Amino acid sequence: KAGVTQTPRYLIKTRGQQVTLSCSPISGHRSVSWYQQTPGQGLQFLFEYFSETQRNKGNFPGRFSGRQFSNSRSEMNVSTLELGDSALYLCASSLEGRRAETQYFGPGTRLLVL
Amino acid sequence: GENVEQHPSTLSVQEGDSAVIKCTYSDSASNYFPWYKQELGKGPQLIIDIRSNVGEKKDQRIAVTLNKTAKHFSLHITETQPEDSAVYFCAATGSNQAGTALIFGKGTTLSVSS
Repeated sequence: KAGVTQTPRYLIKTRGQQVTLSCSPISGHRSVSWYQQTPGQGLQFLFEYFSETQRNKGNFPGRFSGRQFSNSRSEMNVSTLELGDSALYLCASSLEGRRAETQYFGPGTRLLVL
Repeated sequence: GENVEQHPSTLSVQEGDSAVIKCTYSDSASNYFPWYKQELGKGPQLIIDIRSNVGEKKDQRIAVTLNKTAKHFSLHITETQPEDSAVYFCAATGSNQAGTALIFGKGTTLSVSS
């Protein structure tokens, strides 16, 4: 079974631009969560989607948004990019999105904001 | 909210030695504790997890112990090999309202020298 895939793997943007990242979960998994990883803050939860609905959101500004499609694929969008948005963006999928359910991570999208 | 502290931040061992990484958590409602290994340029890979109804779990050279009373859990790697060199993250579930969100420790960089 194929793992979690993320595209693109690398991205360079300039301040003020917006960016869209894509995540395809493991086949059959219905929950997708997004995390931001930076050297200073570590891994931080952004939001989680299940059945095309955002169920939970972390402590990030409204510039960070996402959506989920009927096939469980998810996208996240960051508008008005800031230098501090440079990070590795990871998505993780799980079967039903239950609280103690195992989550599997993708390879991440590395975003550099200049 | 939940807070997870991880120690040490770096750990160097000789091949064949054991390595132990410790984490503490703050929310007594946390009930799931995964450990992830992240190699350079890759996403976190689940190596072992434990749920709050179990005190210890072992998978070949890797074991995890959980002390709910003291709110801490540990990763034990025996007979370390150079390929065990990576960054290891512990995590815990957030509050009941946080759904699947995982709260991560800051990571431990393990170096195994031959």
